[in-house]
Amino acid sequence: EVQLVQSGAEVKKPGESLKISCKGSGYSFNTNWIGWVRQMPGKGLEWMGIIYPGDSDTRYSPSFLGQVTISADKSIKTAYLQWSSLKASDTATYYCARQEALTGHLDYWGQGTLVTVSS
Amino acid sequence: SSELTQDPAVSVALGQTVVITCRGDSLRDYYACWYQQRPGQAPLLVFHGENNRPSGIPDRFSGANSGDTATLTITGAQAEDEAVYHCNSRDNGPNLVVFGAGTRLTVL
Repeated sequence: EVQLVQSGAEVKKPGESLKISCKGSGYSFNTNWIGWVRQMPGKGLEWMGIIYPGDSDTRYSPSFLGQVTISADKSIKTAYLQWSSLKASDTATYYCARQEALTGHLDYWGQGTLVTVSS
Repeated sequence: SSELTQDPAVSVALGQTVVITCRGDSLRDYYACWYQQRPGQAPLLVFHGENNRPSGIPDRFSGANSGDTATLTITGAQAEDEAVYHCNSRDNGPNLVVFGAGTRLTVL
């Protein structure tokens, strides 16, 4: 069974750093792209970027380039999304999902990680 | 960059058929994918490509693509279909993937 399990909810202050995780199982993690998607409260889905864990090839949406860093550790089948300095506007639920690169469809999703940034 | 446009909300009577629409330039080159998102849950892929329904998705869900428009049809809507439906597709612009804003479906 394909599963993506994300790390738990976080409450942070503006300016703090954060790294959330997404652990894959039940499929070949290293040869499938992982995408990250943001959902701000009450809003739609926004594609942030993708990573190919096998060689860490990473692509970012222009909206998120320089704002976050996507990485992966293939040895432990885990992808990461990190911030060096959080802002209140980063408050959202973040999803990882297995993404088919050619078509853009995301077929298996993590449960989401709620990140709250508040002073 | 390309965008996908969806109606904010639609409603359907229980057991009737509803069509949810997604429009955008990227759909001229790529098929749409459709996701169902119930409150408090992660999105769930319900249809993608020319004619692909993931395992476990009821066959009352179907999709179609023509020009810059894609549709998701629910034939015989059930109460459990009440959710937000998001479309997305690949894109040739700097955003490799684009999403619509979502359509809230109410089953009456």
